[in-house]
Amino acid sequence: EAEVAQSPRYKITEKSQAVAFWCDPISGHATLYWYRQILGQGPELLVQFQDESVVDDSQLPKDRFSAERLKGVDSTLKIQPAELGDSAMYLCASSLTPGQPQHFGDGTRLSIL
Amino acid sequence: DAKTTQPPSMDCAEGRAANLPCNHSTISGNEYVYWYRQIHSQGPQYIIHGLKNNETNEMASLIITEDRKSSTLILPHATLRDTAVYYCTTNSGYALNFGKGTSLLVTP
Repeated sequence: EAEVAQSPRYKITEKSQAVAFWCDPISGHATLYWYRQILGQGPELLVQFQDESVVDDSQLPKDRFSAERLKGVDSTLKIQPAELGDSAMYLCASSLTPGQPQHFGDGTRLSIL
Repeated sequence: DAKTTQPPSMDCAEGRAANLPCNHSTISGNEYVYWYRQIHSQGPQYIIHGLKNNETNEMASLIITEDRKSSTLILPHATLRDTAVYYCTTNSGYALNFGKGTSLLVTP
């Protein structure tokens, strides 16, 4: 069982709706990542946090996606409004420090109708 | 960012060694090679990583060529539970650069 907790495991919603994913990293891990994985592809980085600060969000579609890690522990990724092309697995990972092995949660599978 | 190239699929008989190759010819001097695997509907699981020396842990061995342009992940005695997609990645800027991976099927 993954030590990085993510919820919900599955989310089905209609396009134009708002959706949010939550991640609780391994205790003590300062670095947190959000990845998106389209079926048949490897995960792609969306955003990286170091404590509460965003280190890299160059691949995050900022017109509709936002991410926060207010207290430097758990994190939320939001999409508003959702589009059909957002259907994917959203994975959260954490590491003790940047460059250390990342440990992944089991993800949230999002389906947009 | 270094790109990795892996065969799309491989088969291995149960109990035999599985040798999974990866090409990373554009890797830079400070980039590590990481291997993860992903079983359907789960998140990727960390297996092993290395810079230039060969590495071994309880799951696998990692052999990196001297020029660091390629590596091989070795599962010494494959079991049916090792059936998964295996990703070879590098960590340019600390984020992992995943390709499409190798789908390994272990057969009885």
